[in-house]
Amino acid sequence: QVQLVESGGGLVKPGGSLRLSCAASGFTFSDYYMSWIRQAPGKGLEWVSYISSSSSYTNYADSVKGRFTISRDNAKNSLYLQMNSLRAEDTAVYYCARVKFGVVSLSYYMDVWGKGTTVTVSS
Amino acid sequence: SYVLTQPPSVSVAPGQTARITCGGNNIGSKSVHWYQQKPGQAPVLVVYDDSDRPSGIPERFSGSNSGNTATLTISRVEAGDEADYYCQVWDSSSDPVFGGGTKLTVL
Repeated sequence: QVQLVESGGGLVKPGGSLRLSCAASGFTFSDYYMSWIRQAPGKGLEWVSYISSSSSYTNYADSVKGRFTISRDNAKNSLYLQMNSLRAEDTAVYYCARVKFGVVSLSYYMDVWGKGTTVTVSS
Repeated sequence: SYVLTQPPSVSVAPGQTARITCGGNNIGSKSVHWYQQKPGQAPVLVVYDDSDRPSGIPERFSGSNSGNTATLTISRVEAGDEADYYCQVWDSSSDPVFGGGTKLTVL
C-alpha cells in the first residue's frame, strides 16, 4: 500500500543541524512532487518546503529559507530535509507528504501523509 | 501572502450537520482542500478541489466554495468526526497555505 515513513527526528541544541528522511513505498515516487509540513506543539499546520519530481524546482517558506534544504533520491524512493541553524521555533512534528496535482483545477494538495517525526530544539 | 481564516471551534450534536468555514480574499476563484486531523495522528485528506472526496471518505463529507468563503459540511455527525479540520490552497500564483484550523467538538 502507499506509505510514507519519516525518520531522523530528535533533540538538538539551538544552532545545530539535523537531517530528516522520508521513505516512500507503494507508488512511483519519481512521478510526484513531495513536500514537508510541520506542526509545532499545540499549533496548526505550516508548510515548510516542496520539491518537484525531478528535483529541478524547490521552494521554501520564508521561516526556513536559507537554513533548510530539501532534496530527493528517486533511485532510493527517498525525500530529505537538511535543517541547519536550528532555532527553538523549529520545534515541531515534521510530516512528509505526497503532492497531487489537479489537472482540471490546476491546484495542488497533499493526498498521502506520513506519521511524522518529532524535532525538538532545546539547550 | 494569501491568508485563510477559520473559526477556532465549532460544536455540534450527534446526528446534526456541522459547517466549518474557511475565509479568504476571493477564495471562490481558487480550489480549496480540506484535511482532518485526530489527536496524535497525521492529517488525512477529506475533500479536494472544493468538493471532491478521496476514495474511502464517507459521503457525509462535502465541500463548497464561492465568493470569499469555502465550507466543509459534515452531515449526520458522529462522535468519530471529532477532530481538527484544516483548509488549504495552493496554485501557481501562491505558495501552499493552510488555515489556522477548526476544532470540531461533538457534544
